[in-house]
Amino acid sequence: SYVLTQPPSLSVAPGETARITCGGNNIGIKSVHWYQQKPGQAPVLVIYSDSDRPSAIPERFSGSNSGNTATLTISRVEAGAEADYYCQVWDSNSDHWVFGGGTKLTVL
Amino acid sequence: QVQLVESGGGLVKPGGSLNLSCAASGFTFSDYYMTWIRQAPGKGLEWVSHIGYGSDYTKYADSVKGRFTISRDNGKDSLYLQMNSLRADDTAVYYCARVSGSSLYLDYWGQGTLVTVSS
Repeated sequence: SYVLTQPPSLSVAPGETARITCGGNNIGIKSVHWYQQKPGQAPVLVIYSDSDRPSAIPERFSGSNSGNTATLTISRVEAGAEADYYCQVWDSNSDHWVFGGGTKLTVL
Repeated sequence: QVQLVESGGGLVKPGGSLNLSCAASGFTFSDYYMTWIRQAPGKGLEWVSHIGYGSDYTKYADSVKGRFTISRDNGKDSLYLQMNSLRADDTAVYYCARVSGSSLYLDYWGQGTLVTVSS
């Protein structure tokens, strides 16, 4: 089955740029989606189809996908961005949804 | 506005059963695939099952295949998950989510319902 690999944690200072990676075999040919989850809350879609952003999500959130790595970029990080972030793809071979293990973003 | 509200979680003994429900509102329920995602305490997200526009197309994760059954009632705008032969490792918050787009992303999620399997 298809595997997505994320770093378990990432720390950034306020105002800096956070880049959260999601690795997968030839992931560049798949559509990657990203979810933000704060403690005790349901996940929220922040990026879909590699780089599209739902209307309620700030422009500071962006995404890219190429080769074996997809990246969620959060510019000018604020304390409110502290959360767990999950990447996800649809694996057409198995007809399953696949999630990465999640990355805990800490704002210093 | 789109709302998904899960119910039916609780404490159950190993080997027991539970039936989860997800009430949808704010959109044409029958126009969307739906899915169940779970999250064990302190762990990541795990896809459990999804269902097509009717109940004729369903898929399950290997971890629940043969034990869980997903279904929907488009007349009641509701999604269900019948869980049988529950095990301790089924303990999790269960979320229902709406599937959107040709690339199949999950654009709306419920608040989740906790299932605890313990003796």
